[in-house]
Amino acid sequence: ETGVTQTPRHLVMGMTNKKSLKCEQHLGHNAMYWYKQSAKKPLELMFVYNFKEQTENNSVPSRFSPECPNSSHLFLHLHTLQPEDSALYLCASSSFAGGSYEQYFGPGTRLTVT
Amino acid sequence: GQQVMQIPQYQHVQEGEDFTTYCNSSTTLSNIQWYKQRPGGHPVFLIQLVKSGEVKKQKRLTFQFGEAKKNSSLHITATQTTDVGTYFCADTSGTYKYIFGTGTRLKVLA
Repeated sequence: ETGVTQTPRHLVMGMTNKKSLKCEQHLGHNAMYWYKQSAKKPLELMFVYNFKEQTENNSVPSRFSPECPNSSHLFLHLHTLQPEDSALYLCASSSFAGGSYEQYFGPGTRLTVT
Repeated sequence: GQQVMQIPQYQHVQEGEDFTTYCNSSTTLSNIQWYKQRPGGHPVFLIQLVKSGEVKKQKRLTFQFGEAKKNSSLHITATQTTDVGTYFCADTSGTYKYIFGTGTRLKVLA
């Protein structure tokens, strides 16, 4: 499945670095999401964008800054992260069609904060 | 806030045995979706249940939504090694809001 792509696939960064994660969906969906997946926690919804407008921000620390320039692209800007932010960051997209809004996930970015 | 718990957390089965994972919510579920995540992979949508008491089947997989819409289950008949992975339920509590369960990691021994 290549409907949702994410880059980079792996990222190692220091606590003082600034980096960005990129997500692109080729499915014509209107909603895009960022999730954090840690080893011992369920998938945590971070941000939701619907038609480029942010509709959810689940109390995410300000060191994570999302950007959605259009319905196909989503970014997650990272700065001054902490080691506990190391996780798999997953992007997903969906479209409300006929009452079903299944999510399509990208392969994820494995982030390590040193 | 709402919590969606899944049991068991881990399950090891011999190939050919059946497997069931249960999804329980502290509040009434809106719609339930099930996803499968292979080791090293990303979640892949399996199915959505909407109606109270609904039962859907996909080959060896049977999905059920509780009558009170506070629980759901996924049952796999005669597991195969390709069933290995983590199974998540998710409550779509709002049109674009999803709350994922804690997941059940299935290991199938050949």
